[in-house]
Order: sequence, then structure tokens, then C-alpha cells
Amino acid sequence: AQSVTQLDSHVSVSEGTPVLLRCNYSSSYSPSLFWYVQHPNKGLQLLLKYTSAATLVKGINGFEAEFKKSETSFHLTKPSAHMSDAAEYFCVVSVSGNTGKLIFGQGTTLQVKP
Amino acid sequence: GAVVSQHPSRVICKSGTSVKIECRSLDFQATTMFWYRQFPKQSLMLMATSNEGSKATYEQGVEKDKFLINHASLTLSTLTVTSAHPEDSSFYICSAIRDRGYGYTFGSGTRLTVV
Repeated sequence: AQSVTQLDSHVSVSEGTPVLLRCNYSSSYSPSLFWYVQHPNKGLQLLLKYTSAATLVKGINGFEAEFKKSETSFHLTKPSAHMSDAAEYFCVVSVSGNTGKLIFGQGTTLQVKP
Repeated sequence: GAVVSQHPSRVICKSGTSVKIECRSLDFQATTMFWYRQFPKQSLMLMATSNEGSKATYEQGVEKDKFLINHASLTLSTLTVTSAHPEDSSFYICSAIRDRGYGYTFGSGTRLTVV
């Protein structure tokens, strides 16, 4: 069965410093992995996705993530945090087969301090 | 492209009444739509998967008679919360896919409050 674990429920950084949001996955096959961002009372916006192409995936707003099979990780990074990055971030894995279902991690709240 | 409109964004209803939430794919035909529920400060939990013209597939523990899903066309799915109670208060989000290789698009969510 597929699953994802976000290792930090809350991350706080200062504006202009790097961001690291950690995610480990469990999958019995080569997974499709996603990072989504959710601002308060809003829907989800796709930041980036990995679908077995390049292991380093670049997304929107300066975010990127690296798929590491040996570590079963898909951590999200950004070199320099902006105040507008404060939000909830979800690491997501797709379920095998043709169902199209997604499994969400528990979420990480990113706080950006001025 | 790939926009999903969800309506209403907020709704307050009285206990015992029913509420319908609409999810529309505006610029593509959605082969599959998903409905999620999100409690405050928690992750999204999949409630059901709906395919156009067929019955929805509900996740374990989700009452199909309480959460009625209708996917009548390739651009519209509706979730009706029947006989709503305060414990049904939550944030409901839909998602649609054109096909598995294209990707998922999420609606902006509906905040349901049952008083």
C-alpha cells in the first residue's frame, strides 16, 4: 500500500532563509509524487510533481523537490522564503492502478517570520 | 487551462436540512472527480470517487446515503449532504482529472457549517 509521512507538522523560517519540508513515502512500485500548497480556506495548488522522469523536479514559485529512491524521500526545498510562502503544504502519492486516487500526507504548516 | 469551479464557497445550514455542493470542470471534460473532506488543521481524506454515468465509489466509513454524489455529465459532479448535523461541518474539496496522465485540478473548496 502507498503512504506518505510528512516528518514535520510545523516549520518556521525567517524571510530570506532556505525552506526544507520533509516527506517520506512508501510504495511497492515507482510512485507518482506531488507537492500541493493550500492557503487558508482555499483549495489546493500544485507546486510540482514527479512522474518517473528527472529526479530533481522544479516547480512554481521557486520550489523544487528531489526524488531519492534509496531514501524513499521527496523533500521540498526553496532557497529563499518569502512571506507569501506561509501556508499548509501537502506531500501526496498516487495510488497504484487506474483508480487515480491520491493519498495525502498529514500536512506541514510553514510559518515565515519577517 | 484545467480550471475546476466549486460552489458555494461557504454555506451555513440548519441541522436536519440538506446541502448541495457543485463541482464543475470549466475547460475540460473530467473523466473522474473526487470528493475530499478536511477537518480543521488536518489533512484531506478521500470520501468518494465518481465517474460520469456510473455510481460513485465510497471510501470505507463514508455513509453513501448521507453523502450523495451525482456525476451526471463530464463537467459536473455534485455532493449532497443529507440531513446535515453539526458534526458534518467541515471543508469539502473536489478534484477532477481529465485523464491519469494529465494531472489533478482541485476546486477552491466549500466551508460547510451546520448550526
